[in-house]
Amino acid sequence: AQSVSQHNHHVILSEAASLELGCNYSYGGTVNLFWYVQYPGQHLQLLLKYFSGDPLVKGIKGFEAEFIKSKFSFNLRKPSVQWSDTAEYFCAVSHNTDKLIFGTGTRLQVFP
Amino acid sequence: KAGVTQTPRYLIKTRGQQVTLSCSPISGHRSVSWYQQTPGQGLQFLFEYFSETQRNKGNFPGRFSGRQFSNSRSEMNVSTLELGDSALYLCASSLGTSGIQETQYFGPGTRLLVL
Repeated sequence: AQSVSQHNHHVILSEAASLELGCNYSYGGTVNLFWYVQYPGQHLQLLLKYFSGDPLVKGIKGFEAEFIKSKFSFNLRKPSVQWSDTAEYFCAVSHNTDKLIFGTGTRLQVFP
Repeated sequence: KAGVTQTPRYLIKTRGQQVTLSCSPISGHRSVSWYQQTPGQGLQFLFEYFSETQRNKGNFPGRFSGRQFSNSRSEMNVSTLELGDSALYLCASSLGTSGIQETQYFGPGTRLLVL
């Protein structure tokens, strides 16, 4: 069965620090990859997605992610975080259906 | 364009009762998926409906059911509620016709508390 692993459960950073959140998936075929963000009290929002093409994907709010097929990874990065990036981040995978498989999430806390 | 809406936003029920949650997708979206979010299990897929038919199903007991209407609105029903059903129930909509390259857009969720 497909699975998604997010190894960082809780990350604490100071503003302006760089961020990298890990995401690994288990499926070997063609996949669609997503990062969603859930700000406190708000609903899940799409940060970025990868379907095909350039493996470096840019999303909203300065986030980017790199798809490395050989490593089954889709890590999320941001060069300089802000206090407003405090949220929970979810990596998700789908392949041939609309069913999304989510990782367990990473809670990011950014201190000013 | 209005986003995905879910009603009610909060619900308190007691064990053994049943509950119905509602989801209105983004206009033009024909696929509606339901997810359960809990602190212990994270986000888990319940089922997906497209054109009034269940197209995909997760690993939840038969107490969890759903349906979709001709206007693509969807309802989810949970019968014989258990304490462990306390969760945030999320609905997501997508076009449903783009093959594998679909993006799901989520609603705010219905928070269900079972006492």
